[in-house]
Amino acid sequence: DVKVTQSSRYLVKRTGEKVFLECVQDMDHENMFWYRQDPGLGLRLIYFSYDVKMKEKGDIPEGYSVSREKKERFSLILESASTNQTSMYLCASSLQAGAYEQYFGPGTRLTVT
Amino acid sequence: AQKVTQAQTEISVVEKEDVTLDCVYETRDTTYYLFWYKQPPSGELVFLVRRNSFDEQNEISGRYSWNFQKSTSSFNFTITASQVVDSAVYFCALSEAEGGGNKLTFGTGTQLKVEL
Repeated sequence: DVKVTQSSRYLVKRTGEKVFLECVQDMDHENMFWYRQDPGLGLRLIYFSYDVKMKEKGDIPEGYSVSREKKERFSLILESASTNQTSMYLCASSLQAGAYEQYFGPGTRLTVT
Repeated sequence: AQKVTQAQTEISVVEKEDVTLDCVYETRDTTYYLFWYKQPPSGELVFLVRRNSFDEQNEISGRYSWNFQKSTSSFNFTITASQVVDSAVYFCALSEAEGGGNKLTFGTGTQLKVEL
């Protein structure tokens, strides 16, 4: 089975802190994704990566950056956390581009106070 | 730009009832893929089904079935004889074949509550 793990289930940070959310997949997938999920808005894509050191902006990249130094690991970075970044963050991976389904991690609920 | 609409925000049914979750999509591509995911209270999204735009055959998996109709741009999901364990948020999603990274566009989800 594909396994996508995220470093924390719950995280509380203060405004202005630098926040790292880590995601690891164990199936040698090419593509990895970061989403945020907010009530009434569904899932929105922040960034994705289709190869090591490659990244593409999603629909809402402002205030975020990412890093993919190894194929299995994809990190989401909040350079200076703000209260409007309080959300559920979901990481996903997929085998290749196109038709392949994405596999999701359990999510990190981030609260910025 | 692609778009997925799930007009039903919340549905409540009594166990053993059949329930249909609606999904309407918009895309300019001729080749695309449609998905349904389930998000139980634990939070992790679970893949349920994938359909490509060239295959309009309905699909059945146990109590779950999916009806894909290109003429109405819909990909509806029916649960037959619902059970309490079906309570979850269900998301419909669309991926276009063109471009990189198989980005998924999600609908806003339908919260299904199945009560005894």
